[in-house]
Amino acid sequence: KAGVTQTPRYLIKTRGQQVTLSCSPISGHRSVSWYQQTPGQGLQFLFEYFSETQRNKGNFPGRFSGRQFSNSRSEMNVSTLELGDSALYLCASSLALHGGTDEQYFGPGTRLTVT
Amino acid sequence: QKEVEQNSGPLSVPEGAIASLNCTYSDRGSQSFFWYRQYSGKSPELIMFIYSNGDKEDGRFTAQLNKASQYVSLLIRDSQPSDSATYLCAVNTPGNQFYFGTGTSLTVIP
Repeated sequence: KAGVTQTPRYLIKTRGQQVTLSCSPISGHRSVSWYQQTPGQGLQFLFEYFSETQRNKGNFPGRFSGRQFSNSRSEMNVSTLELGDSALYLCASSLALHGGTDEQYFGPGTRLTVT
Repeated sequence: QKEVEQNSGPLSVPEGAIASLNCTYSDRGSQSFFWYRQYSGKSPELIMFIYSNGDKEDGRFTAQLNKASQYVSLLIRDSQPSDSATYLCAVNTPGNQFYFGTGTSLTVIP
C-alpha cells in the first residue's frame, strides 16, 4: 500500500507571497493532519480534517488554512508569507477510528523556505 | 503544562547498551500512545504503539505504559549506531487529537 505523499518536496518563496501544499493520504485513511516543524519549536499541530471538515485546529494565525476533498486528499495554504514560516510542513494520515485508538503516519514533508 | 513532556536529552549510550526514553502525558483520557523515530532531515517514522498497560515488545524495542502514572517509555536493547535519531512520544486523545513531545535526541556511540 502506498504511503502518504506530499507535493512539492521543496519550495522557495518570497515574503508576502502565498503557497499551497498538497497531501495524499494512505488509501482508506479519512483523517489528514498538518504539522509545522521547526528546530526551535518541534512539531506544532496546525489542523486536522476528517470527511472534508476541519475537526481540530491548532494555535496558528488565520493565514494558515486548509481543506480536504472528497477523496481525502488535502491542501494547506499559507498567505502573506513571513520569514518565520520557513519550516518543514508535515502531513499525516490515519483511519480515524472511533475513540482515538488509531495510528498516524507521516508523509515525507514539504520543506518551505521563505526569503 | 504541556500535553506531552519528554527529556530533550541529548542521550548518549555505547553500542550494545540499553537506551531508555521516557515520556509523561497530562490527559488521563488518552487512549493510545506512540513512539516515532525521526532522522535528521526526514519525517517521523512510527516504530511502536501501545494501548494497554504493561509492556509491548517488537524486536529490539519495548514500549511500556503505566496509565496510573501517566507514563510511557521506550527501551531499545542492543543499541546500534543506526538507532541514533530523535525519538518523539505522541498520545491520541478520545477526540482524535494527537499531541507530540519535543523529542529526545539519542546518540549511540560505536
